[in-house]
Amino acid sequence: QQQVKQSPQSLIVQKGGISIINCAYENTAFDYFPWYQQFPGKGPALLIAIRPDVSEKKEGRFTISFNKSAKQFSLHIMDSQPGDSATYFCAARGSGSARQLTFGSGTQLTVLP
Amino acid sequence: NAGVTQTPKFRVLKTGQSMTLLCAQDMNHEYMYWYRQDPGMGLRLIHYSVGEGTTAKGEVPDGYNVSRLKKQNFLLGLESAAPSQTSVYFCASRSPREQYFGPGTRLTVT
Repeated sequence: QQQVKQSPQSLIVQKGGISIINCAYENTAFDYFPWYQQFPGKGPALLIAIRPDVSEKKEGRFTISFNKSAKQFSLHIMDSQPGDSATYFCAARGSGSARQLTFGSGTQLTVLP
Repeated sequence: NAGVTQTPKFRVLKTGQSMTLLCAQDMNHEYMYWYRQDPGMGLRLIHYSVGEGTTAKGEVPDGYNVSRLKKQNFLLGLESAAPSQTSVYFCASRSPREQYFGPGTRLTVT
């Protein structure tokens, strides 16, 4: 059962453009929504995260928009750079004792120079 | 401070062989996790541990066993490898804010 659905699977953007990746979740018990960035041959690394009581969070060129009623959240990368080319995963954290993360299927972003 | 380390980085097994993947963290984290990453499927949780001596099943535990004898180490075992276990395996440990991932182990089962 895929509890976090992510789209698109791949995305190609020109340098300077805006990259948008979308995620939708089903479980209303999720209480924390991080985005991870993964470069080839490396492990995922936390990029930015948001809690459901906030509708938007911005860190530099990266912004999360969160719509609690629609159970959707998205990552916006402004002024996309070739160095942003990576795989991006959204995730949602459960409220149980293990605080498990459920990941989306990933988006491979390519920023053309 | 090395963070989360994993050994080995690569391994090729024949069907039916066994092996153990080692994860070590030096951040004194209580929580540790093992994931597998397959194309188009994101990361799926295999097993996790909330402290030394405790383990629990995740989303895809079949065919794997784990042990957490020391707080800093979390071992993932495959007793009888199958081609379906060909994957990239990631270990992670958790602080209150985030999970820190190791560099991964690429396992191929032929």
